[in-house]
Amino acid sequence: DVKVTQSSRYLVKRTGEKVFLECVQDMDHENMFWYRQDPGLGLRLIYFSYDVKMKEKGDIPEGYSVSREKKERFSLILESASTNQTSMYLCASSLWPVAGEGETQYFGPGTRLLVL
Amino acid sequence: DQQVKQNSPSLSVQEGRISILNCDYTNSMFDYFLWYKKYPAEGPTFLISISSIKDKNEDGRFTVFLNKSAKHLSLHIVPSQPGDSAVYFCAATPTGTASKLTFGTGTRLQVTL
Repeated sequence: DVKVTQSSRYLVKRTGEKVFLECVQDMDHENMFWYRQDPGLGLRLIYFSYDVKMKEKGDIPEGYSVSREKKERFSLILESASTNQTSMYLCASSLWPVAGEGETQYFGPGTRLLVL
Repeated sequence: DQQVKQNSPSLSVQEGRISILNCDYTNSMFDYFLWYKKYPAEGPTFLISISSIKDKNEDGRFTVFLNKSAKHLSLHIVPSQPGDSAVYFCAATPTGTASKLTFGTGTRLQVTL
C-alpha cells in the first residue's frame, strides 16, 4: 500500500513564525502536492512538484513556498504565518507525471494548523 | 472561479436506501473524473473514477455516471451503509496534461439508521 506521512497531525503557531510542514511518500512517486482544505471551499492546490527540485504554483500559492530536495520528501513552508493560514493541510502523491485514466492521488492524514 | 461544483453541502439518507451525490463542471477540457471519500481527521481516499469515453463505471455498491453534454456527474451508492457517512469530493482533470486535480467543495453524507 502507498503510504504518505505528514510530520505533524496538529500544530499551533504564532503569527509571524516560520512554519515547516513535512511530507514523505514511500512509493517512488513522481508527483507530490500540497493542498489546504477549508469548510465550504473544498481542497485547493497550493503547490505541486513533478520532479526533484521542480515546483509549480497551484491555485493559491501566495504566502507559501515549497522544497523538494529528495524524491520522497516535499516540504511546505509558511515564511511568516498569518491567522488566515489556519487550515487543514493535506499532502498527496501520484505516480504518473501526466494525468491519465487510472491515475489517482494518495493523501496523507493531514496537518491541522492553528495560527494564533 | 469554481470549475468543479458540488452544490449540495450535505445529504442525509436512510440506511439501505440510495445515496446520490452530484457534481457539475464548467471546464470542457476535463475528461477524467474521480470521487474521493474523506473521514474526519483522515486524508481523502480514492473511491472510483470515470473517463469521458464512458458514461458509467461501477464498482460494487458505487456507480459513477457521466453526462458530458450537461457537464454533470453523479455518484450513486446502493445500498447506503452507516460506514459511508463521510465527506465526498469530486475531482476532475484534463488527461495528457500535468497531473493535477481540481476538486469540488465536497458533500457531507450522513447515513442514518
